[in-house]
Amino acid sequence: EAGVAQSPRYKIIEKRQSVAFWCNPISGHATLYWYQQILGQGPKLLIQFQNNGVVDDSQLPKDRFSAERLKGVDSTLKIQPAKLEDSAVYLCASSLTDPYEQYFGPGTRLTVT
Amino acid sequence: DAKTTQPPSMDCAEGRAANLPCNHSTISGNEYVYWYRQIHSQGPQYIIHGLKNNETNEMASLIITEDRKSSTLILPHATLRDTAVYYCIVRVPQGAQKLVFGQGTRLTINP
Repeated sequence: EAGVAQSPRYKIIEKRQSVAFWCNPISGHATLYWYQQILGQGPKLLIQFQNNGVVDDSQLPKDRFSAERLKGVDSTLKIQPAKLEDSAVYLCASSLTDPYEQYFGPGTRLTVT
Repeated sequence: DAKTTQPPSMDCAEGRAANLPCNHSTISGNEYVYWYRQIHSQGPQYIIHGLKNNETNEMASLIITEDRKSSTLILPHATLRDTAVYYCIVRVPQGAQKLVFGQGTRLTINP
């Protein structure tokens, strides 16, 4: 089966600019997750969707980050405006439903200069 | 915060068994132990999970102590492709409890 797709794979922006990441989960997976992974650390959950509803966004910096999952399939994560500390890999994952294993995409490496 | 403690790094010779320990002394009765790994420049990959019985699949074996306060992930015949960061996570397998990744163990398989 096709895996989780993410784009772009790399992005370089200046601070205060905006950026958006796209994720296409595995077909049929109801649950979708966005993680942030700073260099040298484990991934940190930003937001979890069940179909197109938000289950957990407690660690999403809502003043600058937003995410949506229209029609319960694809999802976008946006940062506006970006800060230097947002430099990280943004990982998307999906699962049939919580709690089964999560399948991760390759990630988007964001560099904010 | 992560509820597990893992050594920051380990080395293993190719072809030998790699045994990765994890301490989870505060695990509660309904929490499972999950293992994921992350190969360089890739997203994490699920390996195995268990509650209290030992588990085995095509990738690895999971040995959980009787008191459930620690576990060991065993890669029976390590290859160079097993070089990765291995994460041990405990969680309740329902509801909105998230996967909390710690620092993991960086396993290096040497030829």
